[in-house]
Amino acid sequence: KQEVTQIPAALSVPEGENLVLNCSFTDSAIYNLQWFRQDPGKGLTSLLLIQSSQREQTSGRLNASLDKSSGRSTLYIAASQPGDSATYLCAVRRGVVRRGKLIFGQGTELSVKP
Amino acid sequence: DGGITQSPKYLFRKEGQNVTLSCEQNLNHDAMYWYRQDPGQGLRLIYYSQIVNDFQKGDIAEGYSVSREKKESFPLTVTSAQKNPTAFYLCASSQDRSTNEKLFFGSGTQLSVL
Repeated sequence: KQEVTQIPAALSVPEGENLVLNCSFTDSAIYNLQWFRQDPGKGLTSLLLIQSSQREQTSGRLNASLDKSSGRSTLYIAASQPGDSATYLCAVRRGVVRRGKLIFGQGTELSVKP
Repeated sequence: DGGITQSPKYLFRKEGQNVTLSCEQNLNHDAMYWYRQDPGQGLRLIYYSQIVNDFQKGDIAEGYSVSREKKESFPLTVTSAQKNPTAFYLCASSQDRSTNEKLFFGSGTQLSVL
């Protein structure tokens, strides 16, 4: 059974700091992995999607890496800003076929202090 | 603007009552999903549909029902059989035929029991 874990559950950093959010999964047979952002009381916004054949994806100040063999993904946020404060969730699409189920982690609540 | 619209934003259910949550998308996506989010937990899949007039149970389908009569619409009914319905409900869609398969979410409906 695929399980997705995000540690820590909450993180507080000063503005300007570079930070890394972690996501681990128990079964390396995944189709892809996505990172999402969720603001309080709102839906999720997709940030980055990494296919199983890829090692990383970048978008602006965000960089996501994927290491299937170790069951880990990291989301790197450069030069953090108060506007980055939100909950970040990762999700893996289970299995090696395109229609596998999406399994979510519990999320890391990030607070960036001015 | 293209996107997913969920309504209402807040919904209250009396004991023994069925309530229906609306989800409409104008992204021309094939696949639509319903997730439930409880505080401190990851999203859990209730139902999903990959094509009109077809849908499958997710991990926590008991006490819920759906329909997919139109590509754009995927309403969720929370029945009186769901004994713990208080949660944040999220609808999502994706272009199932695309290898990208980013998931797009609505802004959610908070359901509470009176």
